[in-house]
Amino acid sequence: AQSVAQPEDQVNVAEGNPLTVKCTYSVSGNPYLFWYVQYPNRGLQFLLKYITGDNLVKGSYGFEAEFNKSQTSFHLKKPSALVSDSALYFCAVRDIRNQAGTALIFGKGTTLSVSS
Amino acid sequence: DTGVSQDPRHKITKRGQNVTFRCDPISEHNRLYWYRQTLGQGPEFLTYFQNEAQLEKSRLLSDRFSAERPKGSFSTLEIQRTEQGDSAMYLCASSLASLTGNYEQYFGPGTRLTVT
Repeated sequence: AQSVAQPEDQVNVAEGNPLTVKCTYSVSGNPYLFWYVQYPNRGLQFLLKYITGDNLVKGSYGFEAEFNKSQTSFHLKKPSALVSDSALYFCAVRDIRNQAGTALIFGKGTTLSVSS
Repeated sequence: DTGVSQDPRHKITKRGQNVTFRCDPISEHNRLYWYRQTLGQGPEFLTYFQNEAQLEKSRLLSDRFSAERPKGSFSTLEIQRTEQGDSAMYLCASSLASLTGNYEQYFGPGTRLTVT
């Protein structure tokens, strides 16, 4: 079965320090991988995606993510955290075997808290 | 603003009543999705339209739920005989399917349903 795991409910980091939000996935075929961010009382905002190509993908607001096929991981990273990065982050996967179905499977989310 | 919009943003209803939510996708997007999100969980897929055709439905979509996209533009999600377990945030998303494969979905702010 397809699934996404975000092993940390919460990540705490000081402003200016690097941050990592972890994600591992399980699909039968090759995955399409996504990160979204959710601020309070707002919808999910797309950050970045991995479809194919370079394992390191860059996205919005200085975020990047590294696709690691052998470890089935797609961790979100940022070199220097900002207080404004504090939010709920979701990893999502789509199994590209199912070309007709486009549903995303989301993890439970990780709350990122950046302290000043 | 040309993003995905949803109406209403909040709905409180009594158990047994019917409710209907509306979603207006990004205008050029041909795919529209409905997800449900409960507290502490990631969004869960409910159903998906390509233009006016409903192509995929989740097992979560019981027979009390019905969705339409009559002209391939806006969509409605109706819940009949609401139950307390239907209390959740209902999210709408849209995307553009093209030969280049833009697979990211853009989400609206959601409709928060509370069933009392």
